[in-house]
Amino acid sequence: GENVEQHPSTLSVQEGDSAVIKCTYSDSASNYFPWYKQELGKGPQLIIDIRSNVGEKKDQRIAVTLNKTAKHFSLHITETQPEDSAVYFCAASMNDYKLSFGAGTTVTVRA
Amino acid sequence: DVKVTQSSRYLVKRTGEKVFLECVQDMDHENMFWYRQDPGLGLRLIYFSYDVKMKEKGDIPEGYSVSREKKERFSLILESASTNQTSMYLCASSPSGNDEQFFGPGTRLTVL
Repeated sequence: GENVEQHPSTLSVQEGDSAVIKCTYSDSASNYFPWYKQELGKGPQLIIDIRSNVGEKKDQRIAVTLNKTAKHFSLHITETQPEDSAVYFCAASMNDYKLSFGAGTTVTVRA
Repeated sequence: DVKVTQSSRYLVKRTGEKVFLECVQDMDHENMFWYRQDPGLGLRLIYFSYDVKMKEKGDIPEGYSVSREKKERFSLILESASTNQTSMYLCASSPSGNDEQFFGPGTRLTVL
């Protein structure tokens, strides 16, 4: 099955700086790569996703890049704010219902 | 707004008990999922269902079963709870495959 590795496991950034989280996947057939954000006491929520026919996607301060050759994708958060503090999960999926998640990154934004 | 609700936020059970976790979604989604979340392991898929009465095993189905008798409701059953099933359980739903999954708030289950 698909194996997704996520780094780093924890990330502390100064407010206003950028944060980058990286994931690698094992199955070249994977073609859907979502990112979820989980705030304390809540379930994960989709923040951005990318499909294998594009290399980059942006939504305001959040961007995701995909390198299919190297089988890795990254989440970039610019101008970080305190409300960006959360646990972030990457995931990968082939053309089916199953998402394989990374282990998660705990992001702390220092004021 | 899509809403996924789970029957309990916290649950404490004893080893050997039969445990039912209930999940309800209100958006007429075809697919429903049960995950468990453990520190350092992310979310792992236990079972999913793509239609009423249909179920598929995920990555860690051992010790669990599921039931989907109505489209909006998906139940996770621990036939005989064990201490290694102490975890956070998350339910999710999605309208179709490879689409956004909407998660409930989770049930933190402790098995003593």
